[in-house]
Amino acid sequence: GNSVTQMEGPVTLSEEAFLTINCTYTATGYPSLFWYVQYPGEGLQLLLKATKADDKGSNKGFEATYRKETTSFHLEKGSVQVSDSAVYFCALSLFGNEKLTFGTGTRLTIIP
Amino acid sequence: GAVVSQHPSWVICKSGTSVKIECRSLDFQATTMFWYRQFPKQSLMLMATSNEGSKATYEQGVEKDKFLINHASLTLSTLTVTSAHPEDSSFYICSARDLEQFFGPGTRLTVL
Repeated sequence: GNSVTQMEGPVTLSEEAFLTINCTYTATGYPSLFWYVQYPGEGLQLLLKATKADDKGSNKGFEATYRKETTSFHLEKGSVQVSDSAVYFCALSLFGNEKLTFGTGTRLTIIP
Repeated sequence: GAVVSQHPSWVICKSGTSVKIECRSLDFQATTMFWYRQFPKQSLMLMATSNEGSKATYEQGVEKDKFLINHASLTLSTLTVTSAHPEDSSFYICSARDLEQFFGPGTRLTVL
């Protein structure tokens, strides 16, 4: 079956630190990969996505590269801000199927 | 981006009663909505796919008579937890699909 494994957290970093949240996947087909972010009291929002190998998704300073050889889609940001504090979910969907399979989520807290 | 609302945001009910949760797409029409369930420190688990004007498609292991889904219009889907029991206590999240999935903020159900 399909599954997503991500760093459990919680992760606490100081402002301007470098962020990496690991995500690996198992899929029966050729997946699209996503990172969603959930700010306190809000619904999940799509942060970035990649649909094929070696694609890099980027948004708001966050990046993730689709690595087929390592079945990974790690989320990175060079300099985090307090406003980045949220829960981050890695997810996948198979081509032609809109169903999403989520990881467990990683709570990120940035301290000033 | 598109907005999806859920009502109520939280509900407490007695064991044996039924609870209805509404999911609305506020500024777009959604032919497809999804219902997820999230346990503490676990990933979102897809419960069912709701299609306007037709019966919902339930994921394996989800009791369709327990979790009634109605997608009566292009902007509204409802999830009714029938004869709720404490093990049904959870965080229920809906999403509505436009060009991508937009998520509601979730409803926390506590069954006493």
